[in-house]
Amino acid sequence: AQSVTQPDIHITVSEGASLELRCNYSYGATPYLFWYVQSPGQGLQLLLKYFSGDTLVQGIKGFEAEFKRSQSSFNLRKPSVHWSDAAEYFCAVGVESNTGKLIFGQGTTLQVKP
Amino acid sequence: EADIYQTPRYLVIGTGKKITLECSQTMGHDKMYWYQQDPGMELHLIHYSYGVNSTEKGDLSSESTVSRIRTEHFPLTLESARPSHTSQYLCASTGTGRDGYTFGSGTRLTVV
Repeated sequence: AQSVTQPDIHITVSEGASLELRCNYSYGATPYLFWYVQSPGQGLQLLLKYFSGDTLVQGIKGFEAEFKRSQSSFNLRKPSVHWSDAAEYFCAVGVESNTGKLIFGQGTTLQVKP
Repeated sequence: EADIYQTPRYLVIGTGKKITLECSQTMGHDKMYWYQQDPGMELHLIHYSYGVNSTEKGDLSSESTVSRIRTEHFPLTLESARPSHTSQYLCASTGTGRDGYTFGSGTRLTVV
């Protein structure tokens, strides 16, 4: 069965430091891949997506992610974290293009220290 | 501007009441979804629809029901609310699989 794993439940980084959030998936082919961010009490906002082409994708708010087929990973990165980046981050995988259904990871909570 | 709207944003209601959570989108998306999410926790798919008159139950069993009479509208109903229904409910839609979802702002439901 398809699955998405975000190994880090909670991460704390200092403002200005770099960030990497991990995401691994289990699926036979190359799926559609997404990262979402959720601020407290809000819905989810799409940060970036990948479905083909260049394996390094740029998103909003200065985020980027790299698809690595050999590692079944799609890690999210940001060179310099801002206090406003504190939020919940979800990785998601789309495995059925006709249904559009996504499988979400458990989420990673990012805390930013001043 | 194309968007997805959920109302109400917050709802506190007594046990046994019937409630309907509204979700509407202006993007013409065929596929719509309802997720249940406890604070700081993962998302659980409870209902989805691929188009008008199409509804399916999701991965998490739910006592709620949904309908899809119009493309833009996907309401969720609880016939008799219980404290165990206290949660955040997120509505989402998509046009194709590679687009990902557009989410509403959510409804935070508290049943007392």
